[in-house]
Amino acid sequence: QQQVKQSPQSLIVQKGGISIINCAYENTAFDYFPWYQQFPGKGPALLIAIRPDVSEKKEGRFTISFNKSAKQFSLHIMDSQPGDSATYFCAASSNSGGYQKVTFGTGTKLQVIP
Amino acid sequence: ETGVTQTPRHLVMGMTNKKSLKCEQHLGHNAMYWYKQSAKKPLELMFVYNFKEQTENNSVPSRFSPECPNSSHLFLHLHTLQPEDSALYLCASSQASPGTGRGYTFGSGTRLTVV
Repeated sequence: QQQVKQSPQSLIVQKGGISIINCAYENTAFDYFPWYQQFPGKGPALLIAIRPDVSEKKEGRFTISFNKSAKQFSLHIMDSQPGDSATYFCAASSNSGGYQKVTFGTGTKLQVIP
Repeated sequence: ETGVTQTPRHLVMGMTNKKSLKCEQHLGHNAMYWYKQSAKKPLELMFVYNFKEQTENNSVPSRFSPECPNSSHLFLHLHTLQPEDSALYLCASSQASPGTGRGYTFGSGTRLTVV
């Protein structure tokens, strides 16, 4: 059972455009929602994260929108740049026995074309 | 440098070989994780170690054997693997204590090919 559903699987955006990636979760025990960015040949890196008591978080060109009642959250990349081309994973986590248990989405491969 | 170092970066092994993957972190984190990343599948949690103690084994076949001698080092011992085990194996670490910064720090992974 996939607990975090992510769409689209791939996305092509022109330079300067807005990239939007959507995720939905099922488990209401999740209390932390990070996004990871992965470049080829590298491991995923934490990009931005939000807690469910906040509806939006912005860091530079990256914004998370969170809808607790719908159990959905999304990543918006404003003014997308070719350097943003990477695979993006949404995730949801909860504390479990003192460590973080994280469930990942399937990933979105973003390509920003000049 | 992410703070989590994995070696080797690439590994090709036969189905009868025995090899080990190594992960090292100097971030002072208490929890360490092994993940498997295959094409078009979500990241799969394999093992969790919290303060050197294994706290989770996510129904991983016994041909994968983890070892955590201390909070900074994590190994994954491999033997008699199958071709379908070919994947990117990622190590991650995190702070286990509640209330501190959340999120994993991943290593760059070991690209494993079983022939």
